[in-house]
Amino acid sequence: DGGITQSPKYLFRKEGQNVTLSCEQNLNHDAMYWYRQDPGQGLRLIYYSQIVNDFQKGDIAEGYSVSREKKESFPLTVTSAQKNPTAFYLCASSMGQLVSGNTIYFGEGSWLTVV
Amino acid sequence: ILNVEQSPQSLHVQEGDSTNFTCSFPSSNFYALHWYRWETAKSPEALFVMTLNGDEKKKGRISATLNTKEGYSYLYIKGSQPEDSATYLCASPNAGGTSYGKLTFGQGTILTVHP
Repeated sequence: DGGITQSPKYLFRKEGQNVTLSCEQNLNHDAMYWYRQDPGQGLRLIYYSQIVNDFQKGDIAEGYSVSREKKESFPLTVTSAQKNPTAFYLCASSMGQLVSGNTIYFGEGSWLTVV
Repeated sequence: ILNVEQSPQSLHVQEGDSTNFTCSFPSSNFYALHWYRWETAKSPEALFVMTLNGDEKKKGRISATLNTKEGYSYLYIKGSQPEDSATYLCASPNAGGTSYGKLTFGQGTILTVHP
């Protein structure tokens, strides 16, 4: 079945460590996105990529890094510079332009807890 | 950053009640308005994408309207059922200097339908 797979579902990180969240899609979508959710807040955009080897910062990119070496993969690294990384992370993708009325599709998310 | 707001933050209704909630967004530079349903332990899924002023969309017992001139959309659920319990998200894309656009989400409305 086509879809977006995120792994791991749950991750615990020690302070000072970098961790990488995986996101893979087999929908042949061009664009991919990473969102973060905190209690009581809407989804906030971390990074997005419209094509392979290109990505842009979203609204809360500090302390995060991404790569887009393959169309189907968009991993997110949470670095030690991210001050408050404990959150729920959602990966998403879209076929066409959001400004033209195309929708996005989401993975099931990854919970990251700093211990 | 685009400002998308939803109200109420949460809502409790009895099975069989009809209910509605609101999404407000900036009316200038409008492209589209998205509604998503996010059930616990699942991925958010798209309900509607609306682009034209006066648009009305319907999916079963759920419908949505759009007023781009005044910057609001209503989501209606007729005869609520316990399976309608979920968080309902609205989102609006802005170009943000990209050809694809970036989605900005509201905080969501948490609907609980009691049997």
